[in-house]
Amino acid sequence: EVQLVESGGGVVRPGESLRLSCAASGFTFDNYAMSWVRQAPGKGLEWVSGINWNGVSTGYADSVKGRFTISRDNAKNSLYLQMNSLRVEDTALYHCARDRAGSYSDYWGQGTLVTVSS
Amino acid sequence: DIQMTQSPSSLSASVGDRVTITCRASQSISSYLNWYQQKPGKAPKVLIYAASSLQSGVPSRFSGSGSGTDFTLTISSLQPEDFATYYCQQTYTIPWTFGQGTKVEIK
Repeated sequence: EVQLVESGGGVVRPGESLRLSCAASGFTFDNYAMSWVRQAPGKGLEWVSGINWNGVSTGYADSVKGRFTISRDNAKNSLYLQMNSLRVEDTALYHCARDRAGSYSDYWGQGTLVTVSS
Repeated sequence: DIQMTQSPSSLSASVGDRVTITCRASQSISSYLNWYQQKPGKAPKVLIYAASSLQSGVPSRFSGSGSGTDFTLTISSLQPEDFATYYCQQTYTIPWTFGQGTKVEIK
């Protein structure tokens, strides 16, 4: 059974940093690209970042470019999102997702909540 | 970035109704268009990928069509479990972008 479990969320102040993790199981992790998608409270979905199977190719939403860094450790079946210079508008539930054929997300984790507040 | 615009933003329908949701891209995205369903407190679930391919395990009452800039998600006969929010997503170019969502409510 495919499982994606996010962790690392919490309450931080503007300007602080946080590192999210996503533990994957039930599939061959290094066969798949992965993404982070977030959802602010009561709002819609926003794709944040994606990474290819070997970590060489990455992409970011304009809203996080230069502040967030996606990475992966295939030996640990883990995906990460380093979030620096956090802003109030980064407050959201952050989901990791497995990308099928590099073009759609077929499995999602339940998410980890990040709250940025002064 | 490619903007995705869904219509309507919300709709009320009855069980058994045929429901159509549209999604328009700000530029051509070929068939790189996916549809997701999200229920309150749950993670999104993919219904349709590549504009018209039904994800494994998804009921056949869901269908997708379109290419270029205009796309449609159709539910042929709405069931009680289909009341949810639906999102389109383009994966033609990074950054991938979602539509604002369409909430399907019970009439």
